[in-house]
Amino acid sequence: EVQLVESGGGLVKPGGSLRLSCEVSGFTLRDYNMNWVRQAPGKGLEWVSSISRSSTYIYYADSVKGRFTISRDNAKNSLSLQMNSLSAEDTALYYCTRDGASTHWGQGTLVTVSS
Amino acid sequence: DIEMTQSPSSLSASVGDTVTITCRASQGIGNDFGWFQHQPGKAPKRLIYGASNLQSGVPSRFSGSTSGTEFTLTISSLQPEDFATYFCLQHHSYPYTFGQGTKLDIK
Repeated sequence: EVQLVESGGGLVKPGGSLRLSCEVSGFTLRDYNMNWVRQAPGKGLEWVSSISRSSTYIYYADSVKGRFTISRDNAKNSLSLQMNSLSAEDTALYYCTRDGASTHWGQGTLVTVSS
Repeated sequence: DIEMTQSPSSLSASVGDTVTITCRASQGIGNDFGWFQHQPGKAPKRLIYGASNLQSGVPSRFSGSTSGTEFTLTISSLQPEDFATYFCLQHHSYPYTFGQGTKLDIK
């Protein structure tokens, strides 16, 4: 069974940093592109970032470019999102998803940016 | 950026009804498109891929169709477990974009 489990969310002050992780099982991570997607309270879904299978190609939404860094460790079946210079606008439930079509999703990890 | 305009934003229906939800892309995306169901507290679940292909394990009362840049999800004979939020996704080009979602509730 394919599973994606996000972790690392929490309460952080504006300007702070947080690192999210996504542990996967039930498939071989190195075979798939991966994504981070978020949903702010009461808002729609927003694609955040994507990374290709061998990390050759990386893409970011303009809203996070220069502040967030996506990475992966295929040997450890893990995807990460390093988030710096956080603001209230980054408050959201963050999901990791598998492949370009987002075939599978985790349940998300909540990031709250507040003083 | 490709904008995905989803309608309606909310929908009330009864068990046994047939409903349709639409997403319109602001430009051509081929069939790089999917429909998803999201129930509170659960991971979103893909229903339809490639605009009209039923995801394995998804009941056949769900169907997708497309005409140009308009994509339609039809749910026939609604069941109690179908009351949820539905959204679409284009993965044709970055930034990937989502429809705003349709909340389907019981009338």
